[in-house]
Amino acid sequence: DIQMTQSPSSLSAIVGDRVTITCRASQIITTYLSWYQQKPGKAPKLLIYGAVNLQSGVPSRFTAKGSGTDFTLTITSLQPEDFATYYCLQSYGVPPTFGQGTKVEIK
Amino acid sequence: EVQLLESGGGLVQPGGSLRLSCAASGFTLDNYAIHWVRQVPGKGLEWVSGISSTALLTYYADAVKGRFTISRDNSKNTVYLEMNSLSAGDTAVYYCTNSPFMLRFLEWSPHPEYWGQGTVVTVSS
Repeated sequence: DIQMTQSPSSLSAIVGDRVTITCRASQIITTYLSWYQQKPGKAPKLLIYGAVNLQSGVPSRFTAKGSGTDFTLTITSLQPEDFATYYCLQSYGVPPTFGQGTKVEIK
Repeated sequence: EVQLLESGGGLVQPGGSLRLSCAASGFTLDNYAIHWVRQVPGKGLEWVSGISSTALLTYYADAVKGRFTISRDNSKNTVYLEMNSLSAGDTAVYYCTNSPFMLRFLEWSPHPEYWGQGTVVTVSS
């Protein structure tokens, strides 16, 4: 299975901060990488697909880049509703595998 | 209201079986590949299984292969996950979703994403 290593596992930030989360794949996955946001007690929500593409309806403060094995998700100006856990997901191989998650907390 | 609704979870003894259902309302499931994703409370997400829109293709995580079976009845707008030989390691919240891009062999095109609210499976004696 392709392993996804996500970092950091958690971070503390304030509203307005620029926050970056990274994900590294154990092998090349080209751009078959998605990012999800999950709030406590809720189902995940797709933010980014194809490594860099914003899902419809997602605010433009969420940006992403990367290809191959290294990927990043950036929230350019953190908003109160962005405090959540973020997961990357590779869809290149079977099974698709998630990173372990990054919890974004209020400082 | 457009939604997915899971049902069928509950408490089952080790070695037992359950069948989860994922029913759609407000939209037609047969346009989409459907996945099951599970989450142990307080832990991360784990993809479990996926099925193509026509049911011709099915995929499973290694941890459930040979024990779980995914199927769909598009006439009932419902996807199922039959779970056998359950163990404590299968205890989790199970979500169904049509989230696009989850598995490139099933589909790779943007469309609105829906998730169920989750159904809790507890395997314990």
